[in-house]
Amino acid sequence: AQSVTQPDIHITVSEGASLELRCNYSYGATPYLFWYVQSPGQGLQLLLKYFSGDTLVQGIKGFEAEFKRSQSSFNLRKPSVHWSDAAEYFCAVGGSTGTASKLTFGTGTRLQVTL
Amino acid sequence: NAGVTQTPKFRVLKTGQSMTLLCAQDMNHEYMYWYRQDPGMGLRLIHYSVGEGTTAKGEVPDGYNVSRLKKQNFLLGLESAAPSQTSVYFCASRTARGTQYFGPGTRLLVL
Repeated sequence: AQSVTQPDIHITVSEGASLELRCNYSYGATPYLFWYVQSPGQGLQLLLKYFSGDTLVQGIKGFEAEFKRSQSSFNLRKPSVHWSDAAEYFCAVGGSTGTASKLTFGTGTRLQVTL
Repeated sequence: NAGVTQTPKFRVLKTGQSMTLLCAQDMNHEYMYWYRQDPGMGLRLIHYSVGEGTTAKGEVPDGYNVSRLKKQNFLLGLESAAPSQTSVYFCASRTARGTQYFGPGTRLLVL
């Protein structure tokens, strides 16, 4: 069965500091991996995705993530955090077609940014 | 292009009442999904559809039914609401390549 672990429930960083959110997954084949962001009371917005190819993927708002197959990880990074980045971040894993197209989400990491 | 829309945005039900949540997408996507989001549990898949006229169970299907009579619509039904179904419900549709796009959500409170 596929699963996602986000070990950090809550992270606080200072504005301008770097950020890394951890994500570990379990999946039986080559995974599709995603990071979504959710602001309070809002829906989920896609930050970035990995399907294949280059293991370092760039997303919106200056975020990037690196797929490391050997570590079953897909950590999200940003070199300099802005106050507007405060939100909840979800990592998700899925596959290509049919029943495998389902996404399994982690429980989320809430990011707080201090000024 | 509205993307994924959900109706209603908020609803209060009494235990035992029924209701239908509507999800609509205008992107001609084959795949559609219903999730529920509860604090500390992320999003959990209720039901999904890989095309018009098809539906399948997800991780937490009990107490819910779905229908996909038209490609652009995916309905989620609660026949007899229970307090445990108090949640935020999200619909998503998926591109052929594999990316899911989410609606704004429906907040449901069951008293």
